[in-house]
Amino acid sequence: EVQLLESGGGLVQPGGSLRLSCAASGFTFNGYVMTWVRQAPGKGLEWVSSITHTGTSTYYADSVKGRFIISRDNSENTMSLQMNSLTVEDTAVYYCAKGGSSYLINWFDPWGQGILVTVSS
Amino acid sequence: QSALTQPASVSGSPGQSITVSCTGTSSDVGAYNYVSWYQQHPGKAPKLMIFDVNNRPSGVSNRFSGSKSGNTASLTISGLQPEDEADYYCSSHTRSATVVFGAGTKVTVL
Repeated sequence: EVQLLESGGGLVQPGGSLRLSCAASGFTFNGYVMTWVRQAPGKGLEWVSSITHTGTSTYYADSVKGRFIISRDNSENTMSLQMNSLTVEDTAVYYCAKGGSSYLINWFDPWGQGILVTVSS
Repeated sequence: QSALTQPASVSGSPGQSITVSCTGTSSDVGAYNYVSWYQQHPGKAPKLMIFDVNNRPSGVSNRFSGSKSGNTASLTISGLQPEDEADYYCSSHTRSATVVFGAGTKVTVL
């Protein structure tokens, strides 16, 4: 069974940093794109960032480009999201999701349970 | 990266069929057959219902189907059931090699 477990969320002040992690199991981790998607309270889904199977290519939404860094460790079956210069607009539940391809960002299945990041003073 | 356009809400009675539309541009929906649909119940993680326009993952009911014409994709739920009440999101691969989601549609079973 594929399982994705996010960790590292919590409360952080504006301008601060936080690092999210996603631990994966139940599939060949190094064979798939991995992605972060977020959902602000009461709002819709927003794609945040994706990384290809080897980590060679990374992609970011304009809203986080230059502030967030996605990475993966295929030896540990983990993916991370380093979030810097956080603003209140980054407050959301962050989901880790497995892609359907090794290099193409097409669909996401399954998703982790999500982890809450709150940016507030 | 403008969000895909979805109706805010769609409703139907049990047993009826409903269709949720998802309109993009020639840079996303119209460019590729990489449209997917997700179901999200309150407080839960999204679940993949349709991928690559009209493919159902294993375990998803055949009451769910997808299609696309030009820049607009559609999700049809036939034989509407109470458990289908949820939020539904479409997404599409884009020419920028990224993904864009729709704003979401609340499906209500009357």
